Amino acid sequence: AQSVTQLDSQVPVFEEAPVELRCNYSSSVSVYLFWYVQYPNQGLQLLLKYLSGSTLVKGINGFEAEFNKSQTSFHLRKPSVHISDTAEYFCAVSLTFGNEKLTFGTGTRLTIIP
Amino acid sequence: EAQVTQNPRYLITVTGKKLTVTCSQNMNHEYMSWYRQDPGLGLRQIYYSMNVEVTDKGDVPEGYKVSRKEKRNFPLILESPSPNQTSLYFCASAQEQSYEQYFGPGTRLTVT
Repeated sequence: AQSVTQLDSQVPVFEEAPVELRCNYSSSVSVYLFWYVQYPNQGLQLLLKYLSGSTLVKGINGFEAEFNKSQTSFHLRKPSVHISDTAEYFCAVSLTFGNEKLTFGTGTRLTIIP
Repeated sequence: EAQVTQNPRYLITVTGKKLTVTCSQNMNHEYMSWYRQDPGLGLRQIYYSMNVEVTDKGDVPEGYKVSRKEKRNFPLILESPSPNQTSLYFCASAQEQSYEQYFGPGTRLTVT
């Protein structure tokens, strides 16, 4: 079975500073990887996904993530954050064959400090 | 507008009183799923459905039931709610093998 670890439950960052949110996964088979964002009092929205091809994936709102198979990681990065990026971010994995089941990490709450 | 809708958005009930949370999607998606979100635990899957009349257990199915009689609807049923089912519930849908799930706005349930 697959699992996801988000080590940082909370990350405070100053506005316009860079940020990295860490995600590690474990699986005995190939996986697809996702980052979802949850703004306050809203549902989840897909930020970006890695299915195949280039290991550097660009998403919405200036975010990007890099798939590193040897380190089983899929860290999310943004070079300069804004107040509007305040949200909870979830990393998720899915097996690559015929099953849309998502396994989520426990989430990282990103707080932007003005 | 393509969307997943859930009703009600907020619900306070008492232990043992049966309730249903509805979920509907207008995107003709085959796959639908229910999650619960609890602090420090992230989202955990309750049940999912690959198509009409096809449902299966997720990671935390105890105390819940689902049905999928129509493609667009996937209600979550709590026949005898208990306080440990107090949580934020999300419904999601996806096109078959698209791997992008669309989430509803959530239903906050409190069981006293």
